Amino acid sequence: KAGVTQTPRYLIKTRGQQVTLSCSPISGHRSVSWYQQTPGQGLQFLFEYFSETQRNKGNFPGRFSGRQFSNSRSEMNVSTLELGDSALYLCASSPLVASSYNEQFFGPGTRLTVL
Amino acid sequence: AQTVTQSQPEMSVQEAETVTLSCTYDTSESDYYLFWYKQPPSRQMILVIRQEAYKQQNATENRFSVNFQKAAKSFSLKISDSQLGDAAMYFCAYRSPMGTDKLIFGTGTRLQVFP
Repeated sequence: KAGVTQTPRYLIKTRGQQVTLSCSPISGHRSVSWYQQTPGQGLQFLFEYFSETQRNKGNFPGRFSGRQFSNSRSEMNVSTLELGDSALYLCASSPLVASSYNEQFFGPGTRLTVL
Repeated sequence: AQTVTQSQPEMSVQEAETVTLSCTYDTSESDYYLFWYKQPPSRQMILVIRQEAYKQQNATENRFSVNFQKAAKSFSLKISDSQLGDAAMYFCAYRSPMGTDKLIFGTGTRLQVFP
């Protein structure tokens, strides 16, 4: 099976612009989570989706949004970019919801640089 | 709210030796999952080992084992027979048992392995 894929891998934007990042989960995985990784704040949870519904949201401003499509692919959007949004954005997918354990598989990440 | 603390920003070990990475956490939940993830330089995050809180037996995966002390809320990772390929950032993570894939990460420990 192919792993979690994220596109694009690298992105450079300027302040005030908006950006959309994409995540394709492993085939059959229905749950997708997003994380922001920065040297200062570490790994922080952004949101998670299951069956096109946002189940959980981290403590980020409303400029950060996401969605999930019927094929489980997910996108996250950041509007009005700020310098502090420069980070590695990681996506993770898992197969099930109701089982006692779901192993999450991470993608390679999208490295966003805001100038 | 749950928190995860890794007090060792950096550790080093000689090849073939043993090293222990520390992790403590705080939670009011009685059931949960704990994980150690490895993030090699410029490579994907991968799961090293997991522990279910209801299991008293410490998890083991080949050269990797944990020392899980539930009462002390401590979850350390022992790497035996260290190899050069073990060099990476190691993250301790917490997850509630059901209904979410949200991971709460520690700040990470950078492990260097010297030949």
